[in-house]
Amino acid sequence: NAGVTQTPKFHILKTGQSMTLQCAQDMNHGYLSWYRQDPGMGLRRIHYSVAAGITDKGEVPDGYNVSRSNTEDFPLRLESAAPSQTSVYFCAQRLEQFFGPGTRLTVL
Amino acid sequence: EDQVTQSPEALRLQEGESSSLNCSYTVSGLRGLFWYRQDPGKGPEFLFTLYSAGEEKEKERLKATLTKKESFLHITAPKPEDSATYLCAVQIYNFNKFYFGSGTKLNVKP
Repeated sequence: NAGVTQTPKFHILKTGQSMTLQCAQDMNHGYLSWYRQDPGMGLRRIHYSVAAGITDKGEVPDGYNVSRSNTEDFPLRLESAAPSQTSVYFCAQRLEQFFGPGTRLTVL
Repeated sequence: EDQVTQSPEALRLQEGESSSLNCSYTVSGLRGLFWYRQDPGKGPEFLFTLYSAGEEKEKERLKATLTKKESFLHITAPKPEDSATYLCAVQIYNFNKFYFGSGTKLNVKP
């Protein structure tokens, strides 16, 4: 979906390192969200935002931080990565109608 | 406890062999039920949203229906290009809650 871009596509971290996953949209939608996808568990929402300056916790927020300083960007921050955070991360817009291509993150 | 269950986990069909995928849910106040298609290595692609029991939506060979307890995704005369994982999700009236099922992996053989 060209409306949502995510960077990087792949990344490997060591336990305890920090990392920011980027999500950017080229439309003016207020709602953006972050999901993780793990085998057999389905997609689970981490954090979401309804507008710049407003963020809230999803179903699995522990270990992740977000900020929303403008409409276009919604970065996801891992302050001290753990192996349990190995996953594929997706950013979604417009109430989960459009998903980005994903970031595959491995924490060793 | 809010829950979304998809069945079967995997389904193999011959080209042209119609079938249905199931998404059952137990949630407190359904606001909408969503269907997606996901190809390997890609993000989910939105297909349909259903809001009330009895509602139906169609797109090419796909038709989604909704009851008070479950939704079906009917695939009529599937083609190999319909092979993908199909996901359903529910949004409940509490805006905080959005739950996905674990998906049905569909393989259509020519």
